[in-house]
Amino acid sequence: QQQVKQSPQSLIVQKGGISIINCAYENTAFDYFPWYQQFPGKGPALLIAIRPDVSEKKEGRFTISFNKSAKQFSLHIMDSQPGDSATYFCAASITGANNLFFGTGTRLTVIP
Amino acid sequence: DAGVTQSPTHLIKTRGQQVTLRCSPISGHKSVSWYQQVLGQGPQFIFQYYEKEERGRGNFPDRFSARQFPNYSSELNVNALLLGDSALYLCASSFSPRANNEQFFGPGTRLTVL
Repeated sequence: QQQVKQSPQSLIVQKGGISIINCAYENTAFDYFPWYQQFPGKGPALLIAIRPDVSEKKEGRFTISFNKSAKQFSLHIMDSQPGDSATYFCAASITGANNLFFGTGTRLTVIP
Repeated sequence: DAGVTQSPTHLIKTRGQQVTLRCSPISGHKSVSWYQQVLGQGPQFIFQYYEKEERGRGNFPDRFSARQFPNYSSELNVNALLLGDSALYLCASSFSPRANNEQFFGPGTRLTVL
């Protein structure tokens, strides 16, 4: 059973546009929600993470929005650039357990 | 500073063989986790080790085993390889199991089983 559901599977955005990737979870014990960026041939790299005590976290062009009641969180990439073209994974974990449950990934393509 | 390193980069094996993958964590990190990433999917948790002890195990058969050494490096062993074991095997390190859950991934070992 997929603990974290991610959509869309693929996304094409024009340069300068906003990329939005959504994730949903069921386990209310999750208390850490990171986003990872993965380029072909590379391991996932931590992009930004949020805990459920805040509803939004922003780092540069990347923003996580978190809706605890809906058990949903999303990644917004503002002013998307061709260099942002990669696969993005949302994940969730429980403090102390430390095993991450990943979504199925979103392949983002930013066209010039 | 060096990140997480893994070896080998690529590996080709045949069904029934055994394989050993290696991981060196970031200096100062004491916890190592292993993940399997099948093409087109997100990583799936296999094991976590901390201070040489297994701290967590995912839903993988007993053909998968691992260990951690005194220098915190780790090995993942897979016996009796199946075609379905073909995947990218990722190692992730963190300071401890409770260190804000932040895990740093290596580049992975691409295993192909023929």
